[in-house]
Amino acid sequence: DGGITQSPKYLFRKEGQNVTLSCEQNLNHDAMYWYRQDPGQGLRLIYYSQIVNDFQKGDIAEGYSVSREKKESFPLTVTSAQKNPTAFYLCASSMGGGFRTGELFFGEGSRLTVL
Amino acid sequence: EDQVTQSPEALRLQEGESSSLNCSYTVSGLRGLFWYRQDPGKGPEFLFTLYSAGEEKEKERLKATLTKKESFLHITAPKPEDSATYLCAVQYRSGSARQLTFGSGTQLTVLP
Repeated sequence: DGGITQSPKYLFRKEGQNVTLSCEQNLNHDAMYWYRQDPGQGLRLIYYSQIVNDFQKGDIAEGYSVSREKKESFPLTVTSAQKNPTAFYLCASSMGGGFRTGELFFGEGSRLTVL
Repeated sequence: EDQVTQSPEALRLQEGESSSLNCSYTVSGLRGLFWYRQDPGKGPEFLFTLYSAGEEKEKERLKATLTKKESFLHITAPKPEDSATYLCAVQYRSGSARQLTFGSGTQLTVLP
């Protein structure tokens, strides 16, 4: 079955450590996204990528980094520069072009807790 | 500033008690409005896309409508399995074609 796989589902990190969240899709979608979700707030865009080897910052990119070396994969690294990294992280993908870019397919999410 | 506001924040209904959720927006040049359902601890699941005022979409007990300033998600005769957080998102012409602005959601609980 096609879909998006995020791992790990739960992750604990000590302050000052970098962590990488994995996101893999087999939907053959061109575009991929990383969102952050905090209680009582809407999803906020961290980074997005429309094609391989290209990505753009979203609204809250500071303290995060990404890569897009393969169409299927879009890993997110939460660096020690991110001041408040505890959150629920969601990876998504969409078909390229036009109005359908608002129709996102999401993974199950990764919950990061900083100890 | 472009904004998306959902109300109420939380809603409790008895099974079979119909109601509506609201999503109001202040963006200019609406490109599309999207509704998602999110179960606890899961990623959102796409429900509907609305493009222009007057448009309606239906799926089982859910019907989404759109005006020039807001969208409603009507839930008819809800069942406990409809309990979830419902998110709306707006895509606007002045933003990147790849960016959406999400509301904070309405948490719906349907009691048996």
